[in-house]
Amino acid sequence: GAVVSQHPSRVICKSGTSVKIECRSLDFQATTMFWYRQFPKQSLMLMATSNEGSKATYEQGVEKDKFLINHASLTLSTLTVTSAHPEDSSFYICSAFPTSPTPDTQYFGPGTRLTVL
Amino acid sequence: SQQGEEDPQALSIQEGENATMNCSYKTSINNLQWYRQNSGRGLVHLILIRSNEREKHSGRLRVTLDTSKKSSSLLITASRAADTASYFCATDVTGGGNKLTFGTGTQLKVEL
Repeated sequence: GAVVSQHPSRVICKSGTSVKIECRSLDFQATTMFWYRQFPKQSLMLMATSNEGSKATYEQGVEKDKFLINHASLTLSTLTVTSAHPEDSSFYICSAFPTSPTPDTQYFGPGTRLTVL
Repeated sequence: SQQGEEDPQALSIQEGENATMNCSYKTSINNLQWYRQNSGRGLVHLILIRSNEREKHSGRLRVTLDTSKKSSSLLITASRAADTASYFCATDVTGGGNKLTFGTGTQLKVEL
């Protein structure tokens, strides 16, 4: 089955530092990947749509300069949280859309828990 | 916003009982999907139902979709302690570019 990995699974950083999270589709190609954020006991909120070879599309209220997204290949998207602050502490989850054969279904990564001290 | 509302927010049942969760949404959809999330973990895709389908089964799961009422339900039959998790519906909105909008979620606890 389609597998999506995220690295790291957990990261703790100091306030003001930048953190990069990788999302990889391991056995399929994905033109489109999505980044979500989930606060404790809440639902997932879409942050941005990552398209291979083009700029990401951000949802309303998400700062594109703070959450940098790069989708350099058909199997890798990265999310960089720049100048992280404690309020950025959250669970970040990516998903990837296979190019084929099941375009309806997104496959989710296991998530990255970010804690900013 | 399109975000779906799910009810109940929390549900506690005994092992062997059935669990029913409901999801309502606001706009036209291509499909609706149900996911499970164990505490602190990623999402597990359970079932997808398309807008032209009314009911779908997968093992102990039964999903219904009523597009006229903009609602869906997930039934888990003969629940097990291992079913304890949060369950989310997610809609693929028409014209939304395959973005998923998640509902508020139902926390299910199945007790022995």
